[in-house]
Amino acid sequence: DADVTQTPRNRITKTGKRIMLECSQTKGHDRMYWYRQDPGLGLRLIYYSFDVKDINKGEISDGYSVSRQAQAKFSLSLESAIPNQTALYFCATSGSGTTEAFFGQGTRLTVV
Amino acid sequence: RKEVEQDPGPFNVPEGATVAFNCTYSNSASQSFFWYRQDCRKEPKLLMSVYSSGNEDGRFTAQLNRASQYISLLIRDSKLSDSATYLCVVPQGGKLIFGQGTELSVKP
Repeated sequence: DADVTQTPRNRITKTGKRIMLECSQTKGHDRMYWYRQDPGLGLRLIYYSFDVKDINKGEISDGYSVSRQAQAKFSLSLESAIPNQTALYFCATSGSGTTEAFFGQGTRLTVV
Repeated sequence: RKEVEQDPGPFNVPEGATVAFNCTYSNSASQSFFWYRQDCRKEPKLLMSVYSSGNEDGRFTAQLNRASQYISLLIRDSKLSDSATYLCVVPQGGKLIFGQGTELSVKP
């Protein structure tokens, strides 16, 4: 089983719908992140969390919200999806300090 | 200036070539750096960590120049399997900041 699991892997949704992307990890890490990737733009940070009670906005948080339900779970919600939120979304975890990050396999989201 | 910037790609090289990518960062206080590899829009995976002046692992060498605030990745004797996107990552305040990536295509 993967250390970082994202669900769903692929999703097509309509404009205006609410959608939740889920991430769970078995690494025992405190830190979790949500990124989106668009062609030519690399990975941009949406939200990050250093522990259950510490959640922070990244560079592109508008239109998104998150919930850290437990140390191992970090979900990303799009309250009202719009087409420019079509992207590849990655969840990642890392230990304390400046250590390696481990990524989920990604969720390909299409908003039509 | 972006926090992390990479050489624009794509780099198209023949097998056996040596190729180098650069990555510049804006925060002079950054202490550690990473190179990740990403295949075909799959998840990024760690290639190398750089904590001091540099690191070497087989055909791959990463070098850090703190004075000029850049890190480089050198790939010697390129293989077809090296074709991928290479991502520079700089931790800042606990966040992991990614460059936009450099695409490498190794041709027969």
